[in-house]
Amino acid sequence: QQPVQSPQAVILREGEDAVINCSSSKALYSVHWYRQKHGEAPVFLMILLKGGEQKGHEKISASFNEKKQQSSLYLTASQLSYSGTYFCGTEKSGNQFYFGTGTSLTVIP
Amino acid sequence: DAGITQSPRHKVTETGTPVTLRCHQTENHRYMYWYRQDPGHGLRLIHYSYGVKDTDKGEVSDGYSVSRSKTEDFLLTLESATSSQTSVYFCAISESGTGRGGGYTFGSGTRLTVV
Repeated sequence: QQPVQSPQAVILREGEDAVINCSSSKALYSVHWYRQKHGEAPVFLMILLKGGEQKGHEKISASFNEKKQQSSLYLTASQLSYSGTYFCGTEKSGNQFYFGTGTSLTVIP
Repeated sequence: DAGITQSPRHKVTETGTPVTLRCHQTENHRYMYWYRQDPGHGLRLIHYSYGVKDTDKGEVSDGYSVSRSKTEDFLLTLESATSSQTSVYFCAISESGTGRGGGYTFGSGTRLTVV
């Protein structure tokens, strides 16, 4: 049931870009993205409700391809503060929601 | 913080003992959730509640029970703790059942160790 994220881990230098992918074997009704810093709670970044929707949050944006049942998170000109684990989450009918296994992102100077 | 607190923050307990974790919210959100987080598995749903006395199972509910007698409180009980239940437990709240109202807000987590 869990969506699959790729890559599992990525290391970037400050200023570089990254893409994190989230795919599901089942139909996606919405996609959420969260970031969790070490030892802290996950924090909501954004939600995409419709196929083809794109959203931005500072230099972090996302797209949602409903037909391909996947979403991608784009981090541009990465900053040290972007380090953390990123989770996608997908909606299942009946008030349930499933998170992916996470992508660890490390930004180094 | 966003009006959600978990207690205790840390707990060590012995195998076979019952344990109760508490989640308290001040946002008056209808939906509350318990997740566990383990390396390699991400966040997995244990139980959730869609109103007072209304609860349902998630994907990893075996060995856990929940209760919600008031809108603001959602309790998670490990009936007889086992070492496999050593984990970090997060409570989350949401205005809508699927988080469409603005995502899920998480508590700070409870680190539970079963020895």
